[in-house]
Amino acid sequence: DIQMTQSPSSLSASVGDRVTITCRASQSISSYLNWYQQKPGRAPKLLIYAASTLQSGVPSSFSGSGSGTDFTLTISSLQPEDFATYYCQQTYSIPPWTFGQGTKVEIK
Amino acid sequence: QVQLVESGGGVVQPGRSLRLSCAASGFTFSTYAMHWVRQAPGEGLEWVAIIWNDGSDKYYTDSVKGRFTISRDNSKNTLFLQMNSLRAEDTAVYYCAGGGAIFGVAPYYYYYGMDVWGQGTTVTVSS
Repeated sequence: DIQMTQSPSSLSASVGDRVTITCRASQSISSYLNWYQQKPGRAPKLLIYAASTLQSGVPSSFSGSGSGTDFTLTISSLQPEDFATYYCQQTYSIPPWTFGQGTKVEIK
Repeated sequence: QVQLVESGGGVVQPGRSLRLSCAASGFTFSTYAMHWVRQAPGEGLEWVAIIWNDGSDKYYTDSVKGRFTISRDNSKNTLFLQMNSLRAEDTAVYYCAGGGAIFGVAPYYYYYGMDVWGQGTTVTVSS
């Protein structure tokens, strides 16, 4: 099975900061990497699919990049509503289609 | 509007069974691959199972293989998860989720993520 490792596990940032979260796959997954946002008590929400394609309705302050084994999610200017936990997920090859362990973005 | 509504969660003793349901509306259910994803208290997301849009193929995470069965009824726009031999470590919020079609051929499948999620149903396994 493909393992996904996110870093950092948590971070503190201020409104307006640029934030970058990294996700690494244990083997190449081409560009089949998705990012989700989850707020407490809520279901996850798809932000980005295929490494860099913004899901409809997601602010352009979110962006994704990478291919192969290394991927990043960037929030260009953190807004109050962006404080949440972010998960990467690989959807390549035979399932299981595993999630990373999550990155909690907290207010500094 | 696009909606998934889970039901069937509850408190169950170890070793017993439970069947979760997920009712879909607002989109063409029969064209979506569907998943179950769970989240133990205070933990991250764990992908559990997938079923192809036509039910032709299914996969599971290792920890539930042989105990859980995913199925669907496209005539009723409903997804199911039959959970047998439940363990304490199966305690979690269970989400159903869906995305579009799965592309490619085995073993080189690829998929563009889950864009529809339910609100979750809680399963507690405890004596």
